[in-house]
Amino acid sequence: DQQVKQNSPSLSVQEGRISILNCDYTNSMFDYFLWYKKYPAEGPTFLISISSIKDKNEDGRFTVFLNKSAKHLSLHIVPSQPGDSAVYFCAASGAGGTSYGKLTFGQGTILTVHP
Amino acid sequence: GAGVSQTPSNKVTEKGKYVELRCDPISGHTALYWYRQSLGQGPEFLIYFQGTGAADDSGLPNDRFFAVRPEGSVSTLKIQRTERGDSAVYLCASSLRGGREGSPLHFGNGTRLTVT
Repeated sequence: DQQVKQNSPSLSVQEGRISILNCDYTNSMFDYFLWYKKYPAEGPTFLISISSIKDKNEDGRFTVFLNKSAKHLSLHIVPSQPGDSAVYFCAASGAGGTSYGKLTFGQGTILTVHP
Repeated sequence: GAGVSQTPSNKVTEKGKYVELRCDPISGHTALYWYRQSLGQGPEFLIYFQGTGAADDSGLPNDRFFAVRPEGSVSTLKIQRTERGDSAVYLCASSLRGGREGSPLHFGNGTRLTVT
């Protein structure tokens, strides 16, 4: 049972344009959501998070949007840069009062930004 | 400062053997996590330590897997009677305040375990 789903395995974007990565979840008890970025042979690196009391959080070029009624979140990267090319994982936590570090991850989306 | 350190970076072992994977968390981080990432998948939670004790080991797949953190710092993940299905990247992460907002998990580069 995949509780966090990233339905697009890959995304290709031109440098300078917007990248939009999507994520859906099924467990309505999740109340904290995160995006991690991963380069080959490295561990995931935290990018940005959002709690369920908000619908938007922004940090520089990165913005995360949360639609609780649709159980959907998205990550917007504007403008996209070649160095953003990596695997992006959506993650969720907090279901039923469990540890906020007990993350449920999606399968990942490979983002390629072309110069 | 130093990040989360995992050793070895690669481990090849034969089916049925015992392996130990080590994790050195960021100094001062009391929360430590082990995750496992199989090819084409996201990381999956295995176990969470708060200090020396395992606060949640619900992700350990079976009793061949065991983890310890005797002094509340370094942790070792132990796998007995390894099987080919155990092949994966084992990731360790630490956090200052248990992953709460403003205190995200910091991951190491992982140990790639291959069971032949």
